[in-house]
Amino acid sequence: TQLLEQSPQFLSIQEGENLTVYCNSSSVFSSLQWYRQEPGEGPVLLVTVVTGGEVKKLKRLTFQFGDARKDSSLHITAAQPGDTGLYLCAGESFGNEKLTFGTGTRLTIIP
Amino acid sequence: KAGVTQTPRYLIKTRGQQVTLSCSPISGHRSVSWYQQTPGQGLQFLFEYFSETQRNKGNFPGRFSGRQFSNSRSEMNVSTLELGDSALYLCASSFGGTGDTEAFFGQGTRLTVV
Repeated sequence: TQLLEQSPQFLSIQEGENLTVYCNSSSVFSSLQWYRQEPGEGPVLLVTVVTGGEVKKLKRLTFQFGDARKDSSLHITAAQPGDTGLYLCAGESFGNEKLTFGTGTRLTIIP
Repeated sequence: KAGVTQTPRYLIKTRGQQVTLSCSPISGHRSVSWYQQTPGQGLQFLFEYFSETQRNKGNFPGRFSGRQFSNSRSEMNVSTLELGDSALYLCASSFGGTGDTEAFFGQGTRLTVV
């Protein structure tokens, strides 16, 4: 069974601070996706990384895929209250179209 | 284009009853996956349908079943409801091919079993 562990599980920081969320596995993935879910809504896709070592930026969010394709990180610069939500990573396995979702990080940005 | 539509949004059922949830995927998407989300267990994978066939299955009891129609719409059924089945049920659609699994989620159906 493939598992994606996210850390931290909960994170509460002040507006303007920086933070990093991690997504780790012992399995190799062909690609990794990041989602954000707000209360009462379904998760929304933020980004997909497909190449080992790849870095993608989305405004203040920076996503990195590990060289070995087993882990990923999400770094947020100058966090804002609108960043509040549940962040989920999801990995696609080689030769299997099933997505494996991570355990999630619940982020709260305090104004 | 229209997003993923789940109906109903909210549902209250009694223990022992059964329930059917519906999901209409984005036009052109052939894969529909179902998830159960609870505060304690996170997002748990139920099953995935692709071109009317169940392609992947999670570790849920046989009380949870699903199907997909020729227009890619999907239904999920839970029989003999238990209190622990109270959860947000999410469906997600994608093109479903290798390397094409980016999921688009509906708003979910909030099921409460009393």
